[in-house]
Amino acid sequence: GIQVEQSPPDLILQEGANSTLRCNFSDSVNNLQWFHQNPWGQLINLFYIPSGTKQNGRLSATTVATERYSLLYISSSQTTDSGVYFCAGGNDMRFGAGTRLTVKP
Amino acid sequence: GAGVSQSPRYKVAKRGQDVALRCDPISGHVSLFWYQQALGQGPEFLTYFQNEAQLDKSGLPSDRFFAERPEGSVSTLKIQRTQQEDSAVYLCASSLASRAYNEQFFGPGTRLTVL
Repeated sequence: GIQVEQSPPDLILQEGANSTLRCNFSDSVNNLQWFHQNPWGQLINLFYIPSGTKQNGRLSATTVATERYSLLYISSSQTTDSGVYFCAGGNDMRFGAGTRLTVKP
Repeated sequence: GAGVSQSPRYKVAKRGQDVALRCDPISGHVSLFWYQQALGQGPEFLTYFQNEAQLDKSGLPSDRFFAERPEGSVSTLKIQRTQQEDSAVYLCASSLASRAYNEQFFGPGTRLTVL
């Protein structure tokens, strides 16, 4: 099956800082998604981004399908951005291990 | 409904008990998925339905796990003779059409604790 690697595994930021999270796939996927899992466990859709670039407020994502990776950018981070960020894709929606983000005030 | 709902939100079972977890997908969504998320890990795929047909059950960890979606909407995940290793959050997701090309939307999950 498809392998999904996310980096970094943990990230600690000061409020206001920018960050880049990376997701690598071992094979092509047509349905790559980014999620934020909040402290209550809810998976919140951030982007459905099989290819190209999308932006939503302070967040943006870029997927380079031919090179099998995707990047999630968080700008001007806020404490409410804390949580675990997952990427996932493939027929059986393989998830990475996640990046745990902590934003300190 | 507005989103995917799951019930119960929390379930405590004694080892050996059977449990049933329910998922109500977004109205009109064809595809439904079940995932298992252990503490500190990412969700892992269990099974997939397209309408009432269970097209993929490759992720079900044992024959104690059984899922159904008889009318193509609500789905139930049943775990028989629960074991401690079954303790996890069980997540349900739905998408508008086929699994490979559509955005999935997740419910809040059911946290199962087996004592």
